[in-house]
Amino acid sequence: SQQGEEDPQALSIQEGENATMNCSYKTSINNLQWYRQNSGRGLVHLILIRSNEREKHSGRLRVTLDTSKKSSSLLITASRAADTASYFCALNFGNEKLTFGTGTRLTIIP
Amino acid sequence: NAGVMQNPRHLVRRRGQEARLRCSPMKGHSHVYWYRQLPEEGLKFMVYLQKENIIDESGMPKERFSAEFPKEGPSILRIQQVVRGDSAAYFCASSPRKADTGELFFGEGSRLTVL
Repeated sequence: SQQGEEDPQALSIQEGENATMNCSYKTSINNLQWYRQNSGRGLVHLILIRSNEREKHSGRLRVTLDTSKKSSSLLITASRAADTASYFCALNFGNEKLTFGTGTRLTIIP
Repeated sequence: NAGVMQNPRHLVRRRGQEARLRCSPMKGHSHVYWYRQLPEEGLKFMVYLQKENIIDESGMPKERFSAEFPKEGPSILRIQQVVRGDSAAYFCASSPRKADTGELFFGEGSRLTVL
C-alpha cells in the first residue's frame, strides 16, 4: 500500500507542551503535505515539504523529512487548546493525486 | 473569495435511492478531487477531474458511482442505488494546479447517511 502510516494514532498532552507526530511511507515521494481536520469539518493545509527539503517551519509548526528513512515528523510547539484536531500526512508520488495517511488524533488538555 | 462549496452538507437516503453531491471549486481552480472518509479513518481517493474530463478514477467503485465536472456548473458525485456501506463523509477539494506541485483546498464535506 502507498498509504502513509501515522504514529501515534492518538496523543493527549497538556496545553503548552510540544506535540510530535510521525508519518512513515514505503515508496519514494515527490512531496509530503500535512493537513489538520477539526471534528466534523474539512481538511486545512498546514505545510508542504518537497523531497529535496529536510526541514520547514511555519509559525509554531516544524516539519522534517528524512527520505532515507522514508519518514516525516510534524512538531507543534507551545500547544493550545485550539490545536485539538486530527492531523494527516498526505503523500504525492509525482502523479495527480494525494494519498492520505491514517491520521493522529491530538487532544490538548487545558 | 469563497472557498470550496459543497452541498448538501447532510443527506439522508434510504437504500436503493440515489445520492447526488455537488462541489463548486474555488474561483480559478480547474482541478477537482473527490475523497471519501469513513468514521475515524483517513481520506480515500476516489476521482480526479478537470473541466469535462475524468483524469483518474482509480478509486471509484466500479458500479453505482459516477462523477462529472461539466464546462459550466459544479462537479457532481452521483451514487445510484445507495447501500448502507455508502454512509460516509464525501469531501471535495480543488486546486489551481496538479497535486504534485501544491496543496489542495477542501470543502466542509457532505455527510451521507443511508438508512
